[in-house]
Order: sequence, then C-alpha cells, then structure tokens
Amino acid sequence: SSELTQDPAVSVALGQTVRITCQGDSLRNFYASWYQQKPGQAPLLVIFDKNNRPSGIPDRFSGSSSGNTASLTITGAQAEDEADYFCNFRDSSNMHYVFGPGTKVTVL
Amino acid sequence: QVQLVESGGGVVQPGGSLRLSCAASGFTFNAYSFHWVRQAPGKGLEWVAAISYGGNKNSYGDSVKGRFTISRDDSRNTLYLHMDSLSPDDTAIYFCARDFGIGLDSWGQGTLVTVSS
Repeated sequence: SSELTQDPAVSVALGQTVRITCQGDSLRNFYASWYQQKPGQAPLLVIFDKNNRPSGIPDRFSGSSSGNTASLTITGAQAEDEADYFCNFRDSSNMHYVFGPGTKVTVL
Repeated sequence: QVQLVESGGGVVQPGGSLRLSCAASGFTFNAYSFHWVRQAPGKGLEWVAAISYGGNKNSYGDSVKGRFTISRDDSRNTLYLHMDSLSPDDTAIYFCARDFGIGLDSWGQGTLVTVSS
C-alpha cells in the first residue's frame, strides 16, 4: 500500500519536545520528507530525505526513520511552530508523490 | 529570488475545463521538474501531477489521470495544468511547486478552483 497515516493532532508546551509520526509500508523503501503549513500559506519543506534540513530551517527540526515509521521531532517548540505538518514520500521511478493526511501541532 | 505565481483559477461548472498557469522567475526554469499539488477546503495535500525537466516524462495521480494534462513552456518559464471533465471533487487550491530532486523546495501561493453549478 502507498498510503501514509498520521495522528490528526498533537499538542506541546512551549519549549518542550514533540514527536510527530508517519506510518506506511512504502517508508520501508523510500525516505520521508516533511512539510509545514500555516493557515493561509503554502507548504514549506522542513525535512527532506529522512533527516536533512533545507537552508533557513531551524535545527530544532529533525527527522528519523525506523521500519515503516518516519518521525519529525521539534526540540524546544516555539509558538511559530504551530502549524499542520504533512509527511511525504516520493517514488523517483515514476515521479509519484504521496502525502500523509497531516498532523495539527498546537503549541500551548 | 525564486518566485512561482499561479493564475487561471476561478468558478467553473461541472463537466467544464480550465487551464492553470504557473509563472516562474528568479532561477533557471528549464533545469527543474515541477509538480501540481492541490488542497480541498479544510483538507490535506493531494499530489496531482508532475513533469520532468525537458518535459519528456509526465506523471499523474489516480484521481486526475485521463482528465488533467501537465505541460511546460520553457521559453516562457511557465508551467501549465489543463483540467477537463471537472467535478465538485476537484474544488481546491492548486499549488505549483519546484522539485529540486529530493523534495519540493519552492511553492507558489496557489490559485483557487471552484467547481459548482
């Protein structure tokens, strides 16, 4: 199956650590990427290929993977991290992308 | 700086057609692959289509295959999405995005397509 699953919502206290997970059989074969989306804005790539950050993304964002599960960790969450986070994998052989359903992160 | 600007959205009746455009600037357009990704109101992201640099390879999501066509004009630095046989399920914000090889690193702000009678 190419489907990805994510918890619908998580909350984290300001300055604490939160882990968002993404599950799917395809993650055994493909690296996950993560996109952040704030209301009314376009998505923003925050992690690619499991644990790489594009330029300008704070180092409090990190990624990891084990088996069929990919994770995005925000260490020391800030108010501006409140957003929806979508996991994703790409099948380079056919240029297909698949997105997870998204996790809404609330910073308390 | 890298900029992607979508246009062409609007209200269309079920069964109708629409062509979206994505004008690019600030980088070498013909060196990149591009994608269209949509988001229905209040919903998540859905990948729609992709086109390789050079335009010789296209790919489509199952929900649009046979109805949508992605294309590019490198002389105009513009990406297109031609949409036929539209249904209310196609109502969404449509984003174009640049593929830097291992992710979508630049996105436009999107254009809203509403399919309604």
